[in-house]
Amino acid sequence: DAKTTQPPSMDCAEGRAANLPCNHSTISGNEYVYWYRQIHSQGPQYIIHGLKNNETNEMASLIITEDRKSSTLILPHATLRDTAVYYCIVSSGGSNYKLTFGKGTLLTVNP
Amino acid sequence: NAGVTQTPKFQVLKTGQSMTLQCAQDMNHNSMYWYRQDPGMGLRLIYYSASEGTTDKGEVPNGYNVSRLNKREFSLRLESAAPSQTSVYFCASSEPGLANEKLFFGSGTQLSVL
Repeated sequence: DAKTTQPPSMDCAEGRAANLPCNHSTISGNEYVYWYRQIHSQGPQYIIHGLKNNETNEMASLIITEDRKSSTLILPHATLRDTAVYYCIVSSGGSNYKLTFGKGTLLTVNP
Repeated sequence: NAGVTQTPKFQVLKTGQSMTLQCAQDMNHNSMYWYRQDPGMGLRLIYYSASEGTTDKGEVPNGYNVSRLNKREFSLRLESAAPSQTSVYFCASSEPGLANEKLFFGSGTQLSVL
């Protein structure tokens, strides 16, 4: 599976949009981009995933560039409860055991 | 609907002791996983079970054994605990399917080996 690169940390003001970048320049055509987050010591939580089209759900939006070499997770109105480590993972479908969780991005939402 | 339940939540062992971490899911998922997370690190896969009756090694299987007791339960056993196994252990489950895969995690077991 392709590797990903994320900034180690980011800050965001409460109520503003949080934009978390992820580079995955070696992504293959059949690989999806997944985002999970881990709130302090809890188990990771699935957020969203996509292949090539932009995706939106009740938690976030995922913007994938046309060449699929990078993506951005958008939390439209960040709250203090969104403070967490966010993991960007690239993997082909049907092989969850290959999900490799790197160190992710620590997003701190400030009041 | 409890999701993925792990027991115990905390455990302290002495070097050489054995113990079993329990995991159960009520979502009728076929696949189950055990991960460990060391301080400041991402999660590393220990073992997984793609379906009932099958288990396979992940990235860091040494020192561990697993049992897929039935579709609901997947246990992780440390036969002779070592300080290097001090970590937080997470169990997860999923229903594999193209374009619809999501891992659901338990709340973790914090294990200290002295």
